[in-house]
Amino acid sequence: QVQLQQWGAGLLKPSETLSLTCAVYGGSFSGYSWSWIRQPPGKGLEWIGEINHSGSTNYNPSLKSRVTISVDTSKNQFSLRLSSVTAADTAVYYCARVAAVAVYYAMDVWGQGTTVTVSS
Amino acid sequence: DIQMTQSPSSLSASVGDRVTITCRASQSISSYLNWYQQIPGQAPKLLIYAASSLQSGVPSRFSGSGSGTDFTLTISSLQPEDFATYYCQQSYTTPRTFGQGTKVEIK
Repeated sequence: QVQLQQWGAGLLKPSETLSLTCAVYGGSFSGYSWSWIRQPPGKGLEWIGEINHSGSTNYNPSLKSRVTISVDTSKNQFSLRLSSVTAADTAVYYCARVAAVAVYYAMDVWGQGTTVTVSS
Repeated sequence: DIQMTQSPSSLSASVGDRVTITCRASQSISSYLNWYQQIPGQAPKLLIYAASSLQSGVPSRFSGSGSGTDFTLTISSLQPEDFATYYCQQSYTTPRTFGQGTKVEIK
């Protein structure tokens, strides 16, 4: 059964770069797209972006200038970098697998979440 | 961006009740609509994809319907483990936007 395990720094200062990695265990890496989603404290879910196994990306326009999602197929891992963070970037960050059934896409496997706090 | 609006934002219900949550898209998204359940402190869990297809392992008391701009998630008989927040999400285009969530609480 596929599992996603994520890690990264949990406490950042304003203007620093957030860096998170998500490893895929127990399942295929190629043939799927991989996504990052975040959830500010007490609020709803925000899609950050996604990458497919060949490295093609889509980003949320609201974050596009600061976001980079990359993939390392040799390690079955994908990563998120978010530059110039502010307190507004404080959130739980999730990685997720994007599964496709015919032309329909959904995030069917999720990581455990990483709490990132931005504070001076 | 496509805006997703859920109603109600919260509801109180009893075990055994039939519960319906609606989700409206700001433009037609055909059947590119997913539903997720989030229990506090946990990651979201996929319940329904393609508007009405039940994800493997999800109890059959959950069902989804709709197409175009209006969608519904129904729980036929609410169970104690169903008290959670539910989100709709469109996969028609990027950015893949979510509704604001509907919190289902115990009456």
